[in-house]
This record gives sequence, C-alpha cells and structure tokens, in this order.
Amino acid sequence: DVKVTQSSRYLVKRTGEKVFLECVQDMDHENMFWYRQDPGLGLRLIYFSYDVKMKEKGDIPEGYSVSREKKERFSLILESASTNQTSMYLCASSPERVSKETQYFGPGTRLLVL
Amino acid sequence: DQQVKQNSPSLSVQEGRISILNCDYTNSMFDYFLWYKKYPAEGPTFLISISSIKDKNEDGRFTVFLNKSAKHLSLHIVPSQPGDSAVYFCAARAVTSGTYKYIFGTGTRLKVLA
Repeated sequence: DVKVTQSSRYLVKRTGEKVFLECVQDMDHENMFWYRQDPGLGLRLIYFSYDVKMKEKGDIPEGYSVSREKKERFSLILESASTNQTSMYLCASSPERVSKETQYFGPGTRLLVL
Repeated sequence: DQQVKQNSPSLSVQEGRISILNCDYTNSMFDYFLWYKKYPAEGPTFLISISSIKDKNEDGRFTVFLNKSAKHLSLHIVPSQPGDSAVYFCAARAVTSGTYKYIFGTGTRLKVLA
C-alpha cells in the first residue's frame, strides 16, 4: 500500500513567519507534487519534482519554494507567510518520470495564517 | 484560464439511481483523464481513469466516458450509494519535456440521499 504522509494535519502561523510543510512517501516514487485546495478553485499545482534536487514550477509558485534533498521527502516552504496562503495543502507522489496515470495523495495540512 | 472545468458545483441524487458528473477540457494534448474522490479532511483518492485513445472505461459501479470531439468526459455511478457522497475532482494529465503534471477541475460535491 502506497503511503504518503504529511507532517501536520493542522497548523496555525502568524503573518511573516517561515513555514515548513513536510511530505514523505514510502514507495520510492520519482515524482512528487504540492497542491493547494481552495473552495471553488479546486486543486492548484504549486511545485513538482521528478527527481532528487529537481523542481519545476506549477501554476501558482509565487510565495513558495520547495526542497527535495532525498527521494522520499518533498518540502514546501512559505518564506514569509501571508493570510492569503491560508489553505489546505496536499502532497502527492507518483512513480516514474512518464508512467502510469495515478497520483497518490497525503491526508493534507490545513494551514491558517493569522 | 481554466483548462479543466466542472461546471456543476453540486449534485444531489437518490440512493439507487444514477449519478452523472461532468467535466470539460480545452487542451487536446492531454493524454490521460482521471477521477478522484475526496472526503472532508482527507486527501483525494484515485477512482478511475481513461486514456485519451479510449472512449469508455468501466470498473464496477463506476464508468468513465470520453468524447474527444466535444472535449468532454463524464463519470457515471450506478447504483449510487450514500457512501459515494463526497467531492469528485476530474483531472487531466499533460506530458511536457519528458515529465508530466496534472490539472484539476474545481470539483463537484455529490450528495446521495438515502
């Protein structure tokens, strides 16, 4: 069974704080993704990575950065949190560079920025 | 510009009847289409997919239909059950430069009434 875990289910931070969201997958997947989910907007891709130390911008990368130092771990960093980054953050992984079509998601982190 | 659209934010269906969820897309280069189901406070889980070279894929109570000329896909659930009540996202996969990303619709909340 594929398992994707996220470090926190709920997080409350203050404006201007640096925030780290961690994601770990245990299936040796090459690809990892960070999305945010907002009402009426669906899932929007922030960043993705298809290999260690590789990263690609998604559709809404502004205000975020990522780190992939190990294959199993993909971190999302909010350098200076703002209230408009309050959202549900979802991490996903999938095998191989161009492969079967399925992504596996973690349970999500609900972030509130005050 | 929303490349994947789900125009119905919500749908209510009686238990035992058919649920039909719709999705439209604009990019003819998408190679796979997927449906995910999401319960509150959980990550999306993969439901069913279809390759762009097919027009139908069936898995138990779930069938996905693809109409390439209309750039439209639909998910049929027969018979609908109360446990099917969730938010359903359609997604499309875009392959670029040896890697790929997924583009999600805004979701449709399905409520199956007992």
